[in-house]
Amino acid sequence: QVQLLESGPGLVKPSETLSLTCTISGGAISSYYWTWIRQSPGKGLEWIGYINHSGSTSDNPSLMNRVTMSIDTSKNQFSLKLRSVTAADTALYFCARGRGASGYYFDFWGQGSPVSVSS
Amino acid sequence: EIVMTQSPASLSVSPGEIATLSCRASQNVGSNLAWYQQRPGQAPRLLIHGASTRATGVPARFSGSGSGTEFTLTISSLQSEDFALYYCQQYSKWPPWTFGQGTRVEIK
Repeated sequence: QVQLLESGPGLVKPSETLSLTCTISGGAISSYYWTWIRQSPGKGLEWIGYINHSGSTSDNPSLMNRVTMSIDTSKNQFSLKLRSVTAADTALYFCARGRGASGYYFDFWGQGSPVSVSS
Repeated sequence: EIVMTQSPASLSVSPGEIATLSCRASQNVGSNLAWYQQRPGQAPRLLIHGASTRATGVPARFSGSGSGTEFTLTISSLQSEDFALYYCQQYSKWPPWTFGQGTRVEIK
């Protein structure tokens, strides 16, 4: 059974960088799209972006190029950095496995990592 | 960006009854539609992909239908564990993949 576990600080100051890591266990890292999704009361579920095993990425244009993602296949981990955060970035951040052909859905999710942006 | 609209926002149903949830896409997404269930304090769980294919381990009382812009999730004979939030997601056109705002199924 694939398991995903997010880790990272729960509190980030405005204008700083949010950093999260997702550790994958129980499954292969190739052939999937390793994804970040966040959930906030105001905006519901929002797709942030994905990275695949070779390091190709795509992210949500609404995040205005603030996203960097990386992957470490030797550690079965992938990471998210979101720069210049504001209170609007306060949310529960999930990592998930994306699968599909031309498009993809999410068949395994982490438990979520709450992040609050506050001084 | 494709906007996904779910209705109703909440639904009160008695255990053992049928729940019918709707999801509408602002553009044609073909059959590239997934449904998720989210219980309180938990991550979303994939129920349906390809508009009508149940994910592994999902009970047969969950069924999905539709294509193009109109989709339905039907839960027959609601069980106590089915009272939760349900989201649809399109994966036809990106970026970004988009979700509906959710339908809450409550005990009547």
